[in-house]
Amino acid sequence: ETGVTQSPTHLIKTRGQQVTLRCSSQSGHNTVSWYQQALGQGPQFIFQYYREEENGRGNFPPRFSGLQFPNYSSELNVNALELDDSALYLCASSLEVGGAEQYFGPGTRLTVT
Amino acid sequence: TQLLEQSPQFLSIQEGENLTVYCNSSSVFSSLQWYRQEPGEGPVLLVTVVTGGEVKKLKRLTFQFGDARKDSSLHITAAQPGDTGLYLCAGAANTDKLIFGTGTRLQVFP
Repeated sequence: ETGVTQSPTHLIKTRGQQVTLRCSSQSGHNTVSWYQQALGQGPQFIFQYYREEENGRGNFPPRFSGLQFPNYSSELNVNALELDDSALYLCASSLEVGGAEQYFGPGTRLTVT
Repeated sequence: TQLLEQSPQFLSIQEGENLTVYCNSSSVFSSLQWYRQEPGEGPVLLVTVVTGGEVKKLKRLTFQFGDARKDSSLHITAAQPGDTGLYLCAGAANTDKLIFGTGTRLQVFP
C-alpha cells in the first residue's frame, strides 16, 4: 500500500509568482484535503476534493484553487504569492468523504521571498 | 468558530516521567484524532476516538474522549526520547474538514 506523496519537497518563489503543488493520495482513497501549516501552528484547512469536485473550503481567498484528477491525485495552485503564504502545505487523503481519519503526506515547504 | 485549545504549549521533561496533554473546546465533535508530527514531516495519525467517555491505549499512550465529546486528553507513561515531537489534536465536526488544535511541543531528554 502506497502512502500519500507530495511534490516538490521544497520550493522558493518570489512575491507575485504562481505555484502548483502536487499530491498523490493513498491507494484506495478518493478524498483529498489540503492544509496550510505556518511555523509553530497547527494545520489550517484550505479545501477538500471528492470525485473531482470541491467539497468544502476554509477561510482562504480565491487565489488558492485546486483540482482533483480521475485517479484521485490533486493539485493546489496559489496565484499572486504573498510573503505570508510561506508555510508547510500538507495534503491528506481519506477513504471516503466524511471519513475523519485523514492520512497526511510529508508536505511541501514553500518559501516566498 | 470552532476552536481547539491545547495545553500546555510546550513541555520539557526527563526520560521516565509521566505527562498529560489536554485538548479543549466549547464545540462538540463527532470524533477526535491525535497526531504526532516531527520536524519537516506531515502529521502521523495515532488514534481516533468516537464515543463520549471512550478510552484507548496505544502502548504507553492513553487517550480519553470527554463524556460530552468536547475535550480529550493524551497521557504518556514513562516518556522516552523517541516520544519527542509536536502532538496535535484534531476534531471532526462535519464531512469536510479537520479542525486542529494549537499543538503541544514535547521534548524528552535522556
